[in-house]
Amino acid sequence: QKEVEQNSGPLSVPEGAIASLNCTYSDRGSQSFFWYRQYSGKSPELIMFIYSNGDKEDGRFTAQLNKASQYVSLLIRDSQPSDSATYLCAVNIGDNDMRFGAGTRLTVKP
Amino acid sequence: DAGVIQSPRHEVTEMGQEVTLRCKPISGHDYLFWYRQTMMRGLELLIYFNNNVPIDDSGMPEDRFSAKMPNASFSTLKIQPSEPRDSAVYFCASSPGRGYEQYFGPGTRLTVT
Repeated sequence: QKEVEQNSGPLSVPEGAIASLNCTYSDRGSQSFFWYRQYSGKSPELIMFIYSNGDKEDGRFTAQLNKASQYVSLLIRDSQPSDSATYLCAVNIGDNDMRFGAGTRLTVKP
Repeated sequence: DAGVIQSPRHEVTEMGQEVTLRCKPISGHDYLFWYRQTMMRGLELLIYFNNNVPIDDSGMPEDRFSAKMPNASFSTLKIQPSEPRDSAVYFCASSPGRGYEQYFGPGTRLTVT
């Protein structure tokens, strides 16, 4: 089992819809969870981080964490074409080692 | 702050040549990370430093790769000799503390012919 797993997509949603991106991880001891957005040819850009179970909202983005199920998700409300990118889930494993998922490619169609 | 700075942005070299990639982390960040990204393998951690000291280099693919951090504001990743399979985008990232978020530089796109 990979340490961090994501559906590779592509995930396609219409403009204005909610995009739901999911991630599972293997290390029960993980404490820090991150979502990055990466546009083609660019570097990963931090969108959100979450440390506690539950939801964390920032503008149109909501991160959800369920440590019992080892599951973290990212919801994007009112999706825009500019949200089209690859979304990387990252989880801290061990002392300070961050593992990235393979990423989910999201396309928002006008 | 200017963010994480990397140079060069693009590097094309011939097999067997030495390649040196450079990184300046965000001021005040204690952790520095080197990653490699390819389509096949995704984003891989190569090595990370804490307060200029290498902590974990288990991701360095082989002895041809070496990394140094002589001071808090500068790090290098060297490949000698380079091979075509080293072609990838190399990212440097820095973090303000253990387990905290990481901020990525723009990356160096390396092509070895």
